[in-house]
Amino acid sequence: GAVVSQHPSRVICKSGTSVKIECRSLDFQATTMFWYRQFPKQSLMLMATSNEGSKATYEQGVEKDKFLINHASLTLSTLTVTSAHPEDSSFYICSVSTGLNEQYFGPGTRLTVT
Amino acid sequence: SQKIEQNSEALNIQEGKTATLTCNYTNYSPAYLQWYRQDPGRGPVFLLLIRENEKEKRKERLKVTFDTTLKQSLFHITASQPADSATYLCALGNEAGGTSYGKLTFGQGTILTVHP
Repeated sequence: GAVVSQHPSRVICKSGTSVKIECRSLDFQATTMFWYRQFPKQSLMLMATSNEGSKATYEQGVEKDKFLINHASLTLSTLTVTSAHPEDSSFYICSVSTGLNEQYFGPGTRLTVT
Repeated sequence: SQKIEQNSEALNIQEGKTATLTCNYTNYSPAYLQWYRQDPGRGPVFLLLIRENEKEKRKERLKVTFDTTLKQSLFHITASQPADSATYLCALGNEAGGTSYGKLTFGQGTILTVHP
């Protein structure tokens, strides 16, 4: 498998500010990473596919200008929530696919927008 | 539209019994199906993957079946333990072109509680 870390684990920000979440693949060079969002008692919803060196692919209904994804290296992808609002409060999780269709997830980042 | 349903929101069983979780899907022809475990406040942990041409797969106390005719997967935990208590998610995917980094669609999960 792959070991994936996320930073920060928890973040509280004020409405209107931006927050950046990092996803690192510690032992695997990941060409592709995925970003998910999970609301309480709901399942994971794929937001976007992050491709190293190119633009991310966003799922329908996810605003690419609000959720900026940068995948500048094979071990790091970042998700920036711009102009965050309380409805963006959620659990954000990234994953790495190792090419065998298995995905290895980070521990998640709890975002609270006040 | 694609729909994935996990049979129940919660399942309670006694320690030592076999837990059986169900995942049904409609309007979908997945190339493979996966099961994950998720603990509160944590990311999912990969457990098993089964492909469309496989009927059954085992890993230690875990067993997964995949019936593409019924569009159903069963996930069994034998000799269950309180430490098995968690949310279990099924996820379906298709082979992506080229590098095969397929996207996953998740069910809503079943909360399993194993009582001592």
